[in-house]
Amino acid sequence: DAKTTQPPSMDCAEGRAANLPCNHSTISGNEYVYWYRQIHSQGPQYIIHGLKNNETNEMASLIITEDRKSSTLILPHATLRDTAVYYCIVENYGQNFVFGPGTRLSVLP
Amino acid sequence: NAGVTQTPKFQVLKTGQSMTLQCAQDMNHEYMSWYRQDPGMGLRLIHYSVGAGITDQGEVPNGYNVSRSTTEDFPLRLLSAAPSQTSVYFCASSGSGDYNYNEQFFGPGTRLTVL
Repeated sequence: DAKTTQPPSMDCAEGRAANLPCNHSTISGNEYVYWYRQIHSQGPQYIIHGLKNNETNEMASLIITEDRKSSTLILPHATLRDTAVYYCIVENYGQNFVFGPGTRLSVLP
Repeated sequence: NAGVTQTPKFQVLKTGQSMTLQCAQDMNHEYMSWYRQDPGMGLRLIHYSVGAGITDQGEVPNGYNVSRSTTEDFPLRLLSAAPSQTSVYFCASSGSGDYNYNEQFFGPGTRLTVL
């Protein structure tokens, strides 16, 4: 079973920030939090990952709580092309992922 | 770089037939894996390989075989197709190194229907 819990769906207005939450209360000390997304029926695409510090790249920001039991992926200015299923994954080497059902994000015009 | 390529894109099989799904990567990645995705579900790991000559089972290995004779190729064989194997199959690869994370690159998928 997936080690994470995500809401099944969310809506976001185009141009606004999309904040996608993820609970991972059983995360262990050497496990990272990874975010991938799957647009339509394509293969998943890497977004960002982190251990305990907040991370930012050209696509998104990742905020991890101090106790590491939850995190939030932030897409700062969502566009229609960000409509996808977003997966939050906890794993220590970034390889043998256990995917849950993810969050289906709909960006609305 | 072509990245991760998969063939065929679509396949229809009859129950009991066998076939091989091809996966290749040109990034010199050591790690390769196969996932299946059923409708409305997340991906589930079938088999993986951490290098040529080394393979291991994932979460749902029954009915599938793999081998890794080269770094570039990681074929997935269905021994005797069953309707329960109707799914979309994704291949993925990532490198390895001194740091403990490498981005996984996924192929475009093979859509398999077993009648």
